[in-house]
Formats: sequence, structure tokens, C-alpha cells
Amino acid sequence: QLVLTQSPSASASLGTSVKLTCTLSSGHSNYAIAWHQQQPEKGPRYLMKLTSDGTHSKGDGIPDRFSGSSSGAERYLTISSLQSEDEADYYCQTWGTGTRVFGGGTKLTVL
Amino acid sequence: EVQLLESGGGLVQRGGSLRLSCAASGFTFNSYGMNWVRQAPGKGLEWVSRMSGRGDRTDYADSLKGRLTVSRDTSKNTLYLQMSSLRAEDTAVYYCAKEGEDGYFDYWGQGTLVTVSS
Repeated sequence: QLVLTQSPSASASLGTSVKLTCTLSSGHSNYAIAWHQQQPEKGPRYLMKLTSDGTHSKGDGIPDRFSGSSSGAERYLTISSLQSEDEADYYCQTWGTGTRVFGGGTKLTVL
Repeated sequence: EVQLLESGGGLVQRGGSLRLSCAASGFTFNSYGMNWVRQAPGKGLEWVSRMSGRGDRTDYADSLKGRLTVSRDTSKNTLYLQMSSLRAEDTAVYYCAKEGEDGYFDYWGQGTLVTVSS
């Protein structure tokens, strides 16, 4: 079964970097994912698509501070030079035949 | 500019029905898959349903099969979600999302709130 696992929460200080993790279920380590950001009281926004070899393609207007990388079944989202507006929920998302799957989301707090 | 505008949400009684709409613009509607995603209050995102770009395939979350029908009107560039036998746990903001070249979602609507009263 295709499942994505994320830590429920993360925190980092203003101006520093943070790396969020999304883990693919066993047997699905070669799947690509997408990262989405949801700021408080807003709808989700597409950040990037991330493949198993770490290639990522970002959405319109996404700053260079956002980057992605991969290792095995893990997909990462790194946000550098954290700003207050980066405080949000971050979801990873993947897809298979006949299904689309979200991780549970990580709530990022900027200290 | 891609735009997705949902409508049709509101307050409905348990057991009732509702049809949501998603008006799309800024891209070739019948070239991309379109999805419905929902978010219950204080919860995460849950995929609900999709229709392929060609319109020849529809898919549903297992937990929701039988109560939903996704459809579209290509003349209006509009995606629909017909929901029936609504339950309190269907209360959520419903988003429509466009797919990119494969299954990732590259654009989202602003959402429409469905509240099911008991």
C-alpha cells in the first residue's frame, strides 16, 4: 500500500534552515512526490515536484530558498533563510494508478 | 494564468446531497487530470476523487466510493462532484486541484466549505 509518512511537527529559528522529511512506504522508494505548503487559513500551494534522483521542478514564484533532495525512500524539503511567512503546514503528495496520496503533514513553527 | 474557482458548498442536513463545481481557466481543460481534495476542520489533506484529462477514467478514495460521482462539462471547463448520503464526517473544505504532466497537483483552488448538520 502506497503511504507517505511525515513527522507531525518541526521548528527552527528565523533566518536558519530546516529540513522536512517525507518517507515512502516499502516497495515505493522510486516514486516521485510533490511538496505543498498551506499557510494558516489559506488553501494549499504547490511548491515542487521531487523525483527519486533528487531532481526537482518548482511551481510558479517559489523562492530559491525552497529546495528538494532525495535519499532512498526519503524525500526532503529544505527551507533556508527561514522567514515568518514560512510558518505553515507542509504536505507531501504522491500518486499511483487510480490513487493519489497525501502524507499527514508537518506543522512548521518559526521561532 | 491558471485559475480554479470552487462553488456549491454550504450547510446540508445529514443524509442529504450536494453538488460542488470547479470552474477552470488558463489552461486546456481536457488535457490534464483534475482532482477533488478535502480537509476536515483541524485535519490534514485527504484525496477524494479524480477525473483523467481525457475524461475516460474516474477514481475515488476507497472510503468514499458509492457516495460520490465526479463529472465534467468541457464546454464550461467545469469539474463537478456530486455527493450523496452525506454524513457529519463529510464536513470539510473541498478543494479542486489540477494535475501536472503526471499525478502531482500543480494548482489549487481556494476551496468551498461543506457543513453537514446532524
